[in-house]
Amino acid sequence: QVQLQESGPGLVKPSQTLSLTCTVSGGSISSRGYYWSWVRQDPGKGLEWIGNIYYTGDTYYNPSLKNRISISVDPSKNQFSLRLNSVTAADTALYFCARVTSTAREFDYWGQGTLVTVSS
Amino acid sequence: DIQLTQSPSSLSASVGDRVIITCRATQTVSTYLSWYQQKPGKAPKLLIYAASTLHTGVPSRFSGSGSGTLFTLTIASLQPEDFASYYCQQTYGLMWTFGQGTRVEV
Repeated sequence: QVQLQESGPGLVKPSQTLSLTCTVSGGSISSRGYYWSWVRQDPGKGLEWIGNIYYTGDTYYNPSLKNRISISVDPSKNQFSLRLNSVTAADTALYFCARVTSTAREFDYWGQGTLVTVSS
Repeated sequence: DIQLTQSPSSLSASVGDRVIITCRATQTVSTYLSWYQQKPGKAPKLLIYAASTLHTGVPSRFSGSGSGTLFTLTIASLQPEDFASYYCQQTYGLMWTFGQGTRVEV
């Protein structure tokens, strides 16, 4: 059973960089056929796709965030990471990592989520 | 960007009811359409992918249909554990989006 776990600071100051890591267990991040993704959810609101990475390092970002985000992968640690620059209060959200199949592109496994608050 | 509109935004139902949720896309997404269930404070759970394929372990009372721009999620007989929010998601092209959600309440 694949499991994903997000980790990182729960509080980030405005204008600083949000950094989160997702650790994958029960499967290899280098498995062909899967992307690894970040999704966020405003408290009490809807879901927003942030971006994906393949184990090769190929990335696909939400254009609305593209200028501020970077997703990287470390196959040796079975981890992938998100960096979001120049954060504001609007970036306060519950951040999820997830596995995506490359065929039908469904998000079949999710982490439990980690709340990140942007505040001084 | 492809926008997804779910209807209704919320509904009240009883155990045993048949529930139908609709998801409409502003342009075709072929069958790159998934449905998720989410309970408060929890991650979404995959129910249906490729518009109509039931994910492993999901009860058969859930079903999905549609292609192109119009999709439906049907719960044949609502169970107590089904009271939750439901989201559709399209993964067609390079910009993926979710619907705004449908809250199913008692």
